[in-house]
Amino acid sequence: QKEVEQNSGPLSVPEGAIASLNCTYSDRGSQSFFWYRQYSGKSPELIMSIYSNGDKEDGRFTAQLNKASQYVSLLIRDSQPSDSATYLCAVKNNFNKFYFGSGTKLNVKP
Amino acid sequence: KAGVTQTPRYLIKTRGQQVTLSCSPISGHRSVSWYQQTPGQGLQFLFEYFSETQRNKGNFPGRFSGRQFSNSRSEMNVSTLELGDSALYLCASRDSSNTEAFFGQGTRLTVV
Repeated sequence: QKEVEQNSGPLSVPEGAIASLNCTYSDRGSQSFFWYRQYSGKSPELIMSIYSNGDKEDGRFTAQLNKASQYVSLLIRDSQPSDSATYLCAVKNNFNKFYFGSGTKLNVKP
Repeated sequence: KAGVTQTPRYLIKTRGQQVTLSCSPISGHRSVSWYQQTPGQGLQFLFEYFSETQRNKGNFPGRFSGRQFSNSRSEMNVSTLELGDSALYLCASRDSSNTEAFFGQGTRLTVV
């Protein structure tokens, strides 16, 4: 079992719609959770971090964390073609190790 | 504030050679982690250095090694290169609170 699992996609949504990206993790003791965006040929860029259960909003992005279900999600409201990228979920465990999912490719169609 | 700087950006080496990659973290950040990214395997953790000490290590063979200097700059070395070592090598820096990691632009290594 991988430490962090993501659906590889591609996830296709029309412009203006809500994109929902999901991630599950295996280490119940994990405390820190992150979403990175990676454009093709570029390095990952941090877009959200979340540390406690519930929702955290930043502009059009909302991260959701449910530690009981070991589940993290990222919602992108009013999706734009410029949001088309691969989204990586990352989890930091109690031993300071980061684990990344394989990423979900998002396509936002104009 | 300058970001994470990796050099070189691109590198072509032949099998059997060795290579050294460099990473300068964000000023004030003492943790540097290295990752290998390939289309098939995704982002895989190589190792992390903090204050010149290796703090964590991933599941890579001993051909992959690293070090960190007193100014927090880090180098990664790969010896006896294999074709499968072709990848994007990324480094990420974190501050002393050990939370968010910020990536450099990466070094694209091609082994021929």
